[in-house]
Amino acid sequence: GAVVSQHPSRVICKSGTSVKIECRSLDFQATTMFWYRQFPKQSLMLMATSNEGSKATYEQGVEKDKFLINHASLTLSTLTVTSAHPEDSSFYICSARDLAGGDEQYFGPGTRLTVT
Amino acid sequence: QQQVKQSPQSLIVQKGGISIINCAYENTAFDYFPWYQQFPGKGPALLIAIRPDVSEKKEGRFTISFNKSAKQFSLHIMDSQPGDSATYFCAARGAGTASKLTFGTGTRLQVTL
Repeated sequence: GAVVSQHPSRVICKSGTSVKIECRSLDFQATTMFWYRQFPKQSLMLMATSNEGSKATYEQGVEKDKFLINHASLTLSTLTVTSAHPEDSSFYICSARDLAGGDEQYFGPGTRLTVT
Repeated sequence: QQQVKQSPQSLIVQKGGISIINCAYENTAFDYFPWYQQFPGKGPALLIAIRPDVSEKKEGRFTISFNKSAKQFSLHIMDSQPGDSATYFCAARGAGTASKLTFGTGTRLQVTL
């Protein structure tokens, strides 16, 4: 099946710094990528939908200036958490659908962000 | 109307037993209903999915039952194994490549020996 990778898998940063998370579709092209965050023992919460070559669409309540999303190519989307604070500590997961079609949405392995 | 309600929140099943997780939705525009399995510290992985034109789909030990009129669908795990211990999420999505998945709240399954 198709593979979505994320880098880094874990990151620890100091409060006030910015962190970039990369999401890549390894063997397919993705017009649309999705970014989720997940708190312990909770469901996935969609943060934004990322479209290649255009601005991301953010869900209500998600600060677009804090969570910068760039979908630079059909295989790469990045999420930058700017001026991170301890409350931004979470599990961030990206997902993508194959441009060639099909129902399946492929998920990355997630990135554990800890802000100290 | 966008919610997907999932139950139970947690489930303990003996090895060899049947695990059953239920979901209900309101939005009749949903046309794709996947189930995901997630292990701690990992991303979700698709288990099985169904479209509303069929009432049941089986893949190995996993079966989705779908009731369009009741707007409900369920996951059955036959011959449950300790390796099935994970969190399971149902989801639903409408048409279109940019359509968003709406997730249920999750069920933590523990399969005991």
